Amino acid sequence: NAGVTQTPKFQVLKTGQSMTLQCAQDMNHEYMSWYRQDPGMGLRLIHYSVGAGITDQGEVPNGYNVSRSTTEDFPLRLLSAAPSQTSVYFCASSLGRGAYEQYFGPGTRLTVT
Amino acid sequence: AQKVTQAQTEISVVEKEDVTLDCVYETRDTTYYLFWYKQPPSGELVFLIRRNSFDEQNEISGRYSWNFQKSTSSFNFTITASQVVDSAVYFCALSDSTDSWGKLQFGAGTQVVVTP
Repeated sequence: NAGVTQTPKFQVLKTGQSMTLQCAQDMNHEYMSWYRQDPGMGLRLIHYSVGAGITDQGEVPNGYNVSRSTTEDFPLRLLSAAPSQTSVYFCASSLGRGAYEQYFGPGTRLTVT
Repeated sequence: AQKVTQAQTEISVVEKEDVTLDCVYETRDTTYYLFWYKQPPSGELVFLIRRNSFDEQNEISGRYSWNFQKSTSSFNFTITASQVVDSAVYFCALSDSTDSWGKLQFGAGTQVVVTP
């Protein structure tokens, strides 16, 4: 099993550009989520999904869109990148909500200039 | 509302010293789950332990131990006889019924630096 994969590993965008961060898991996990990690702030939840076709907002959803058309994939779209979105982004998956530990991808380091 | 506080930003120790990481949480629920994750310098996040709110037994796994005390809303983590490989950022996290159990709330993390 590859676990949780994320692409790209690094990305530089100019302000106003859009892009999609890819996330895939091969563990048949129902729950998937996106976090951003900023210095001194831990990981903050952007969006999450409890199954194909179901998504919901986390703590910091503004400026990001998600969709979940399959169990395996959970892409994160930046609609119009801003310097405040410079961060490290992690995708995670788990068997379910609540009691289940999350498995994290390797992360994407995004810089918006 | 969920809240996790890791008041220690960074702890520096010399190899073989013990180090204790503090985690204090807030929740209105009686059923909840607490987690610890490790993030080594390579950047990936690794799950270490999960504890549910009804199990207050302390746990030991090798050099790692965890002390869960509901009376003080704390879930502290101790590394005994630290090693250089323990250098990492450690995160405490809380899952409760907020938004139908959909959200895992992380603390800000504690950076542990172990020098030889």
